[in-house]
Amino acid sequence: ELKVEQNPLFLSMQEGKNYTIYCNYSTTSDRLYWYRQDPGKSLESLFVLLSNGAVKQEGRLMASLDTKARLSTLHITAAVHDLSATYFCAAPRTYNTDKLIFGTGTRLQVFP
Amino acid sequence: NAGVTQTPKFQVLKTGQSMTLQCAQDMNHNSMYWYRQDPGMGLRLIYYSASEGTTDKGEVPNGYNVSRLNKREFSLRLESAAPSQTSVYFCASRENWREYYGYTFGSGTRLTVV
Repeated sequence: ELKVEQNPLFLSMQEGKNYTIYCNYSTTSDRLYWYRQDPGKSLESLFVLLSNGAVKQEGRLMASLDTKARLSTLHITAAVHDLSATYFCAAPRTYNTDKLIFGTGTRLQVFP
Repeated sequence: NAGVTQTPKFQVLKTGQSMTLQCAQDMNHNSMYWYRQDPGMGLRLIYYSASEGTTDKGEVPNGYNVSRLNKREFSLRLESAAPSQTSVYFCASRENWREYYGYTFGSGTRLTVV
């Protein structure tokens, strides 16, 4: 049974600093998703990583995937307050399926 | 605006009552999903529907039923609500289960069972 684990669960960081959120998953997966959720809001799709070595960037966020290590990272560069949110990674339950298993989320707070 | 619409946004039920959560999408997507979100547990899949007329169980289906009424609508029914079903429920959709894009989520239904 696939397990998806994120760390840290909570991250408080100062504006302008860099940090990385880690997402480990327990079985072979052909893709990995990252979502953002603001408090009391719905989930917004950030990145879809489709292959080993895939890297995608949007603004101050960069996501990468290492399928051999079963690891994805979400790197935050020069954090700003607007990035404060909860970030989830998700992987298909089994290979070549659509049922996503979500991690527990990383709550990010960026302070001045 | 195109997207996934959920109703109601908030609901309080007494234990044993029944209710149906409604979800509709106007993007002509084939696949639709129901998730629940609980603190510290991420999102867990309840049921999903790969196409009109088909449904299948997810991780936590017990206590729920679903109906894929047509391509647009996918409803979730609680026949006899229990306090353990207090949660935030999200409906999501996407064009095809092989589509390599993220889901489009609705705004959620916050359900409290007392």
